[in-house]
Amino acid sequence: GQQLNQSPQSMFIQEGEDVSMNCTSSSIFNTWLWYKQDPGEGPVLLIALYKAGELTSNGRLTAQFGITRKDSFLNISASIPSDVGIYFCAGPISSGNTPLVFGKGTRLSVIA
Amino acid sequence: GAVVSQHPSRVICKSGTSVKIECRSLDFQATTMFWYRQFPKQSLMLMATSNEGSKATYEQGVEKDKFLINHASLTLSTLTVTSAHPEDSSFYICSAGDRAGADTQYFGPGTRLTVL
Repeated sequence: GQQLNQSPQSMFIQEGEDVSMNCTSSSIFNTWLWYKQDPGEGPVLLIALYKAGELTSNGRLTAQFGITRKDSFLNISASIPSDVGIYFCAGPISSGNTPLVFGKGTRLSVIA
Repeated sequence: GAVVSQHPSRVICKSGTSVKIECRSLDFQATTMFWYRQFPKQSLMLMATSNEGSKATYEQGVEKDKFLINHASLTLSTLTVTSAHPEDSSFYICSAGDRAGADTQYFGPGTRLTVL
C-alpha cells in the first residue's frame, strides 16, 4: 500500500531557529497535505499542495510539492514556542474525497 | 469554514459498556466522513469510511460489529464502540471533505476514550 516516510522523527530547536522536515513516498500523490496536531487535539490543516513543483506559504510556513509528486518539504521560519506539536504529512489514497494516508509525524520541541 | 466538531471530547466508561461518539460538519454537508484511531505516540490509522444513507466500509482488521457507524444525515456520523474493553482505549478522530471530490480533509478535535 501507499506509505509516507517522514523525517526526522523528532527535533529539538532553539526559539528563533528555522526548521525543515520532509516526506517521501514510493507512490505518486495528486495532493499533498501538511497538518499540525497539538496534544489532545485533532490535526489542523496547515498547507495543501495540488500541483507538482508548487511552492506555497502560510505565514512563517512554506511547503513545496516535489516535481515527481513523490516528496514534499515543510519549512518553519523563526520558530516560536507555539510551534511545538506533531507535524504530519498526508495524502489521499485516491482522488475525490477519499481517506488519507499519514506519515508517522515529526515531533517538534522548541526551547525558549 | 470547514469546521468539524466531535462530542464528547473525552469519555471514561466501564468495560462491557457501549459508547457513542458523534461527528458533525458544522458549515458544510458531508456525504462521506472518515473515522480514524490514534494510539499514543503513533500516527492516525483509518478505521472506516462512513457513507450517508448506506453502509460504512471498514478497513481490514476493524470489526464492523464492534464499531458501529451510522451516517443518517449529511452533517452527522456516529461511531458506537460496543462492549468496550480496555484495549479499545484510544483517541478517535473523524474527518470530512468540505465538497464533493475534495482531496483536503478537515478533522474534528477528537474523542479520548478510556475504558476501565
